[in-house]
Amino acid sequence: SQQGEEDPQALSIQEGENATMNCSYKTSINNLQWYRQNSGRGLVHLILIRSNEREKHSGRLRVTLDTSKKSSSLLITASRAADTASYFCATEPTGNTPLVFGKGTRLSVIA
Amino acid sequence: DTAVSQTPKYLVTQMGNDKSIKCEQNLGHDTMYWYKQDSKKFLKIMFSYNNKELIINETVPNRFSPKSPDKAHLNLHINSLELGDSAVYFCASSHSGSSYEQYFGPGTRLTVT
Repeated sequence: SQQGEEDPQALSIQEGENATMNCSYKTSINNLQWYRQNSGRGLVHLILIRSNEREKHSGRLRVTLDTSKKSSSLLITASRAADTASYFCATEPTGNTPLVFGKGTRLSVIA
Repeated sequence: DTAVSQTPKYLVTQMGNDKSIKCEQNLGHDTMYWYKQDSKKFLKIMFSYNNKELIINETVPNRFSPKSPDKAHLNLHINSLELGDSAVYFCASSHSGSSYEQYFGPGTRLTVT
């Protein structure tokens, strides 16, 4: 069953601006992951945050996790045209169940 | 060097035919997956194999049959193709256990006419 829900569904920004995407989920999780998918390509893992972590950074990416609200956010700072892609959150529910992906946020960065 | 590869990249076929998609990973992972991504980009897991053994089989018609000849390969055979099978199919792999990222193949776009 679908667990993650990204918000917004689509986001269009100017190059250099920051992009924030949110993900909400329903059940207890071991971790939450963010993936990027360029048009016509496979998904690429960006970052993983465990349930006992609140914030994580990787380059221009910043991920937060609030388990009490069952939500996460992905912030991309100083966006570039090459960041144009769909971004998916994926939750690993507790209980040895597979990753559950949301429907994604389509990010367009305009040069 | 491609980590997770799939063949073919595109597959156009008629209803009722049988087709196969192949997947190979050279990452030394022991778990492999098949996902289906529909036209609305919703990605749903179909199967998961760990060390050649089926561990997850979501609600998928039995026309879909995965086969894992070894840990590095997971093929997907589809019988009696239907229009609704049109989608992009992704293979992925990872280490087993919790909190491991998955590596995805480039996808196979299946079009059933």
